[in-house]
Amino acid sequence: NAGVTQTPKFRILKIGQSMTLQCAQDMNHNYMYWYRQDPGMGLKLIYYSVGAGITDKGEVPNGYNVSRSTTEDFPLRLELAAPSQTSVYFCASSQDRHTEAFFGQGTRLTVV
Amino acid sequence: EDKVVQSPLSLVVHEGDTVTLNCSYEVTNFRSLLWYKQEKKAPTFLFMLTSSGIEKKSGRLSSILDKKELFSILNITATQTGDSAIYLCAVLTGANNLFFGTGTRLTVIP
Repeated sequence: NAGVTQTPKFRILKIGQSMTLQCAQDMNHNYMYWYRQDPGMGLKLIYYSVGAGITDKGEVPNGYNVSRSTTEDFPLRLELAAPSQTSVYFCASSQDRHTEAFFGQGTRLTVV
Repeated sequence: EDKVVQSPLSLVVHEGDTVTLNCSYEVTNFRSLLWYKQEKKAPTFLFMLTSSGIEKKSGRLSSILDKKELFSILNITATQTGDSAIYLCAVLTGANNLFFGTGTRLTVIP
């Protein structure tokens, strides 16, 4: 009963490096979301997807890219890491827009 | 601009106390309001509220939505140390965004 799985759990990047945060869900959910959570703050939506092949920007998309080639996977790409992207990243999924979202355990990213 | 505001930002109570957490919102095309509890890692779902005036209850937790006043409260009665967490309010909009507030950090001391 995996639910939403995020990898890696922790990562340290140097400024200018790139990386992909992986997110997979096994609940056949249509909707998937990427959030970032800065210390003492709520979650801010980066990108979301309402189904395979469809993605859209959230509140804070700059510096990130996503793709949704399958229902299960929703990777988040950072091309040129910056210290401002130091945060905890959460992936979530929901069956549709009327149901609650289930969250992964988060990826703690530090950019130095 | 869509906005979800939670208050207070933090709260410290003694075990056995009752607490009320507040969430107000201004969003375009409101769909529903959700409450989550976040301990060390991922937020876990508590309630989803879509209709005004209907209380949702789960054990010592309850929540109600007022769509006229754009407001929701989360009540926790007879608090326990295990209730210590950040409580997040989120609003689901017609644009399919799940828009979060900054959360209320609740600390319950023995």
